[in-house]
Amino acid sequence: DTEVTQTPKHLVMGMTNKKSLKCEQHMGHRAMYWYKQKAKKPPELMFVYSYEKLSINESVPSRFSPECPNSSLLNLHLHALQPEDSALYLCASSQDTSGGAYNEQFFGPGTRLTVL
Amino acid sequence: AQKITQTQPGMFVQEKEAVTLDCTYDTSDQSYGLFWYKQPSSGEMIFLIYQGSYDEQNATEGRYSLNFQKARKSANLVISASQLGDSAMYFCAMREGGDTDKLIFGTGTRLQVFP
Repeated sequence: DTEVTQTPKHLVMGMTNKKSLKCEQHMGHRAMYWYKQKAKKPPELMFVYSYEKLSINESVPSRFSPECPNSSLLNLHLHALQPEDSALYLCASSQDTSGGAYNEQFFGPGTRLTVL
Repeated sequence: AQKITQTQPGMFVQEKEAVTLDCTYDTSDQSYGLFWYKQPSSGEMIFLIYQGSYDEQNATEGRYSLNFQKARKSANLVISASQLGDSAMYFCAMREGGDTDKLIFGTGTRLQVFP
């Protein structure tokens, strides 16, 4: 199984809502990532989890709260978002975060988030 | 400073022809990796090909090959025998060595294949 799944595919939420994005992989990968991608832009790294511990937070606002309950699951909790947070949110996983420069990241299909 | 530069915002190619997508990079690391990803309109990032900084041979994966010129710091993607399904956004990305795990993406090139 070389798949990263993400749910939901689409999400529309108001600025006062609380919602969560879910990401799952069953490849035995120990590193998982959240990226944000605005239209016509490259993905931007938000968070990296390595062995279920947060290893990188790219100065993301606290209205985004990541969680890694186990090695297969990664959540992104959303609260009090702004319209400018509307974007495609991509999850990825890789074998781990060590081992030099090669470490292919497998991406999920993304969640298209619209904040009204 | 831009670490990954893709100077072609858009490219057109006729079906069955070859096309080259340009990518230049900037790093002071000796150990690094270069990746190409394809992103169709559906949004998923699909891994295409990888080149390590110490690899002496250019990487190839089916119709994809990477023209790696280390002295020029370029890692161009060559797609041979283009197909209509190749129409997508293509991103070049770099991962530097060490204990960081950041994948730095270029701005992308939109490829359109026409019949």
